Parts: sequence; C-alpha cells; structure tokens
Amino acid sequence: AQSVTQLGSHVSVSEGALVLLRCNYSSSVPPYLFWYVQYPNQGLQLLLKYTTGATLVKGINGFEAEFKKSETSFHLTKPSAHMSDAAEYFCAVSPNDYKLSFGAGTTVTVRA
Amino acid sequence: SQTIHQWPATLVQPVGSPLSLECTVEGTSNPNLYWYRQAAGRGLQLLFYSIGIDQISSEVPQNLSASRPQDRQFILSSKKLLLSDSGFYLCAGHWGGIDTQYFGPGTRLTVL
Repeated sequence: AQSVTQLGSHVSVSEGALVLLRCNYSSSVPPYLFWYVQYPNQGLQLLLKYTTGATLVKGINGFEAEFKKSETSFHLTKPSAHMSDAAEYFCAVSPNDYKLSFGAGTTVTVRA
Repeated sequence: SQTIHQWPATLVQPVGSPLSLECTVEGTSNPNLYWYRQAAGRGLQLLFYSIGIDQISSEVPQNLSASRPQDRQFILSSKKLLLSDSGFYLCAGHWGGIDTQYFGPGTRLTVL
C-alpha cells in the first residue's frame, strides 16, 4: 500500500521568495510520483511527474521536484514565488497501476 | 487530446434527496475513469474507478454508487444524500501509455 505525507497544510511566502513544499511517501515498490496544483473551485492540473530516469524533474510554471529514494521524498520547489502561485498543491504516488494516492494538500499563500 | 467534462458545476441538495453527477470524456477510447471526493480541509479520496463499461470498483463503503453505461460516460449516484456527502467531486481519466490522470473541473455539492 502507498501513503503520502505532505508536511505543513499551509505555507506562506513573500513574492520573490523560495517556495518549498515537502512530500514524503511510503511504497512497497518504486513508485510514480506526481505534483498537482488546484486553483479555487477548479480541477487538478499536473505540475510535474517522476516515472523513471533523471531524479530532478522540471515542470510547468517554473516548478521542479527531486526524487530522493534514500529519503523517500519528492519535495517541490520554485526559486521565486509569484502571486499567481497561490493555490493548493497535492503530492501523489502511484504503484504503476494508475490508482493515485494523494497527500492531504498544502495551501500556498503569496504575500506582496 | 483528453478532456474531462463534469456537470453540474455546483449543486445544493436537501438531505435524503437523490443525486446524479455526470462525467463525460473526450479523447482516445477505453480510458480508466475515477471518481474522487475532496472534503473541506482534506485531501482527495478515491471513491470509485472503472476499467471499462459496467466494470466498477469501489474503494470505500459509503452512501454512493457509480455506473459506466458507455465507454466515455461515468455517473456518480446516491438514492438518499447525507450531510457528510457534501464536498467537491472530481472525475478523472487515465489513458494507457500516458503516465498521469487528467481531471475534470469538478462539482461542488452542498447537502443541507
């Protein structure tokens, strides 16, 4: 069985500051890992994913994440926050059968 | 490209009333389809998934049911709504060979 833990339900950053969202997972097999973003009253949009290969993954809107197997982590970062980054972010894991297990989500607030 | 449609966008229903939420998909045929629920302040919970017409798997016992009468149609139903059924319902699709799920815009259900 897979589970996902997102540390911090709310993160507040200043515009231009680093965004760091933490995600740890437990999985009995090497997983596929995903980050999704959700804007208010909208569906989820894929930011980036790790399946195989390079462990540093670049996504849309300047986000990137690094898969660290030894730490069972897949933290999401963006060097400089923009006001449009205010949203809820979900980390998800799949054991290759395409049934995603999601974390509880982290809400990002960006201060001007 | 793959597109997920959901309606209605918002719905307010009294306790004890029936429910029918519809999801239709565009794109390559024979997708896996999923219903998720997102309750206030919580992550996404997988409710049902379907690998084909009339093939439905339930992930959690609850007051809801799902049906897939056509390849591109996935319906979430209830005979009698409970207050705890309130939430944001998301339909998602996965197509073979694509390592991610695509999400619809969601339906906001409020049970009073």
